[in-house]
Amino acid sequence: QLQLQESGPGLVKPSETLSLTCTVSGASISSGTYYWSWIRQSPGKGLEWLGSIEYRGNTYYNPSLNSRFTLSVDTSKNQFSLKVKSVTAADTAVYYCVRQEQWNLDFPFDYWGQGTLVTVSS
Amino acid sequence: QSVLTQPPSVSGAPGQRVTISCTGNSSNIGTIYDVHWYQHLPGTAPKLLIYHNSNRPSGVPDRFSASKSGTSASLAISGLQAEDEADYYCQAYETSLSGEVVFGGGTKLTVL
Repeated sequence: QLQLQESGPGLVKPSETLSLTCTVSGASISSGTYYWSWIRQSPGKGLEWLGSIEYRGNTYYNPSLNSRFTLSVDTSKNQFSLKVKSVTAADTAVYYCVRQEQWNLDFPFDYWGQGTLVTVSS
Repeated sequence: QSVLTQPPSVSGAPGQRVTISCTGNSSNIGTIYDVHWYQHLPGTAPKLLIYHNSNRPSGVPDRFSASKSGTSASLAISGLQAEDEADYYCQAYETSLSGEVVFGGGTKLTVL
């Protein structure tokens, strides 16, 4: 059974860089045609897609966001990661790592991590 | 403000039927691309409920159904049960700009 698990600090200071990693187990991140993605939910708000990456490293970012977000993949560790530069309180959210069924952004997200709460505060 | 519009809340008594709308435009739901729905219970990860407009993943009861027409989609839940109380989100593909995944703002379903 495929499982995704987020890891990273729960508290980040304003202006610093947030780094999260998603470890995939139960399948190789390099097998199949899947996008590995990050979605967040700010307190009291809805879901927001941040971006997606496939195992060869091609990335797709939410064009409505600024360029502070960077995705990367490490196939040797079966992990993918998210970095958010210069965080502010607006980046406080539960961050989910998810799998998207195909190499198509219009496909559904079929596997989700449990989510990790990141708070931006001094 | 979400690209896709959902009612903030809906409610119904056990056994009743409720519908949740998801309204977009000609650059997202009104395209050839499909709509997907998620159920989000508090403290858990969202769960794929309906994919490609009207398909249920294995394990999702047939009380849940959905459809898409024009620039809107809707989710219907019949035979409402207490365990259905959750937030529901629609997802679509926005073809303007460089293409992006968009979600509705979410609908809180309360079972009375």
